[in-house]
Amino acid sequence: EPEVTQTPSHQVTQMGQEVILRCVPISNHLYFYWYRQILGQKVEFLVSFYNNEISEKSEIFDDQFSVERPDGSNFTLKIRSTKLEDSAMYFCASARDYTPDTQYFGPGTRLTVL
Amino acid sequence: AQSVTQPDIHITVSEGASLELRCNYSYGATPYLFWYVQSPGQGLQLLLKYFSGDTLVQGIKGFEAEFKRSQSSFNLRKPSVHWSDAAEYFCAGPGGSQGNLIFGKGTKLSVKP
Repeated sequence: EPEVTQTPSHQVTQMGQEVILRCVPISNHLYFYWYRQILGQKVEFLVSFYNNEISEKSEIFDDQFSVERPDGSNFTLKIRSTKLEDSAMYFCASARDYTPDTQYFGPGTRLTVL
Repeated sequence: AQSVTQPDIHITVSEGASLELRCNYSYGATPYLFWYVQSPGQGLQLLLKYFSGDTLVQGIKGFEAEFKRSQSSFNLRKPSVHWSDAAEYFCAGPGGSQGNLIFGKGTKLSVKP
């Protein structure tokens, strides 16, 4: 069964450093999402991406964040200058359609900012 | 405002006992709703989904959920819990125009032997 994959599974970085989290969505999916989950808290939407552009973003997704689909298969989330409060589990998700449809989630990347 | 609420933060049940996890929603129209499960250190796995039609939805691992419009609820049930069901369970619904989801705060399920 096709699945969403994410790399790395765990990323440790120093505050102020740039990080890139990578995702490979399911191949025939067209809608892509990033969510984050701070430890012990609920899953929060960051951004949705369709047709090579951001279609919706939350208040969390500020200028420090960017997304890209560089090669038609990968979907990346970049944090330019990490802060301690960026420490979280980041989930990528993909869907064939935007509504109503099932989003399939990757296993997540745990980002630890020191 | 659109919202999904899980009123129970932590529930403990004995193995073999029945389970019901509560989820309430607040939407103007009938939403599509999901239940996801997250095992420790793992990602989110879809248990079941409701889009329309039959209000009793069957999912994987023996779970089911019932959509009740009159109560604005979509509770998850399982007749007999197994130790491997210990995990965190999230109810989710639509959050925006582009399909993003909003999640409840989650209910952590512990299973006593």
